[in-house]
Amino acid sequence: DAKTTQPNSMESNEEEPVHLPCNHSTISGTDYIHWYRQLPSQGPEYVIHGLTSNVNNRMASLAIAEDRKSSTLILHRATLRDAAVYYCIRLLLGQNFVFGPGTRLSVLP
Amino acid sequence: NAGVTQTPKFQVLKTGQSMTLQCAQDMNHNSMYWYRQDPGMGLRLIYYSASEGTTDKGEVPNGYNVSRLNKREFSLRLESAAPSQTSVYFCASRVWGNTGELFFGEGSRLTVL
Repeated sequence: DAKTTQPNSMESNEEEPVHLPCNHSTISGTDYIHWYRQLPSQGPEYVIHGLTSNVNNRMASLAIAEDRKSSTLILHRATLRDAAVYYCIRLLLGQNFVFGPGTRLSVLP
Repeated sequence: NAGVTQTPKFQVLKTGQSMTLQCAQDMNHNSMYWYRQDPGMGLRLIYYSASEGTTDKGEVPNGYNVSRLNKREFSLRLESAAPSQTSVYFCASRVWGNTGELFFGEGSRLTVL
């Protein structure tokens, strides 16, 4: 089963850091962790992905646990534009992306 | 650089009518996908094409057919629309592999009366 587990919803205050957790306890060694987000009335967009070590890009950071059974997407300073549904996806080798319900992030001004 | 383009953006059909959703990408990606998203839910894969000349079923293929016309274009056809197919449809493309990111179109909102 390639599904991941995420909280249904989270809230954050504007300009504060946000940590979005994801559990993928059955992950295997070749599975990548991808994060996408979907802004209201738009298609999903790529945020970040990683395999074993922590990753950073201009949008976010991805912290992967040492045992790889969980990961955390970090938005360093939330803005109102970051309000979206965030999807954590475990991508199995040779397989397709399976989107769960994700975490709905609300950002309060 | 347009990315992934879907047409039409909105469509209303009557039960039993047929229609085709068009998708084109200009990023030279080899893999293309059709997803549907029902209100308040995540995306479900309908069909995909890992490379030009191949198509495969996803999670929810019943009631749909696809055609990979060439490397750029991947169409989704509803032969006899049903109200249960009312949804937002997203086309996506990527380079096949564990690291290739998915690029999505803006979506096509379909209502079947």
